[in-house]
Amino acid sequence: QVQLQESGPGLVKPSETLSLTCTVSGGSIFPYYWSWIRQTPGKGLEWIGYIYYSGTTRYNPSLKSRVTMFVDTSKNQFSLEVTSVTAADTAVYYCAKGDWVPESWGQGTLVTVSS
Amino acid sequence: QSALTQPASVSGSPGQSITISCTGSSNDVGGYGLVSWYQQHPGQAPKLMIFEVVKRPSGVSNRFSGSKSGNTASLTISGLQTEDEADYYCCAYAGSTTLFGGGTKLTVL
Repeated sequence: QVQLQESGPGLVKPSETLSLTCTVSGGSIFPYYWSWIRQTPGKGLEWIGYIYYSGTTRYNPSLKSRVTMFVDTSKNQFSLEVTSVTAADTAVYYCAKGDWVPESWGQGTLVTVSS
Repeated sequence: QSALTQPASVSGSPGQSITISCTGSSNDVGGYGLVSWYQQHPGQAPKLMIFEVVKRPSGVSNRFSGSKSGNTASLTISGLQTEDEADYYCCAYAGSTTLFGGGTKLTVL
């Protein structure tokens, strides 16, 4: 059973860039899809997008202008960047295996946007 | 696109069956066969319980079942157990994105 672990800063200043990495263990990043989802008390669960091991991406249209995903197959990792963050981007961010249907999820990491 | 609509809460007694509904539109729930359900206990990540409307991942109890009629999907839990008390979220492919429901809190009385 693959395991996923999110890592990155827990506090980001408004207008800056949020960066998170997901490390995959117990299996290879190849040849699967990997996704990011976030959860807030107010908006609930929100699908951010997915990346294929080859680098192909699909993003939520509502976030597309601010989101970029990367994959590093040599490190068995994939990453998320969200630019120009505001308080509305404060959430628990999860990485998961899967594309449109997240399967196995990481434990999640809380990212707070505040000055 | 709006989130899918779920009841805020449902409850049942041990041994009973309950059903949670998830209403969308022809652009998501009704338009594709990619409806899934997740269980989330407090402080934990969501766990996939049902995918492609009716399929169960390996290891998920057969007490959990899914169905769909038109633009509404449903999750049924039979033989309720205390450990089933959790939040449940539906999820549906919507053509260019994936949508989640607002979540339903299941209380096992």
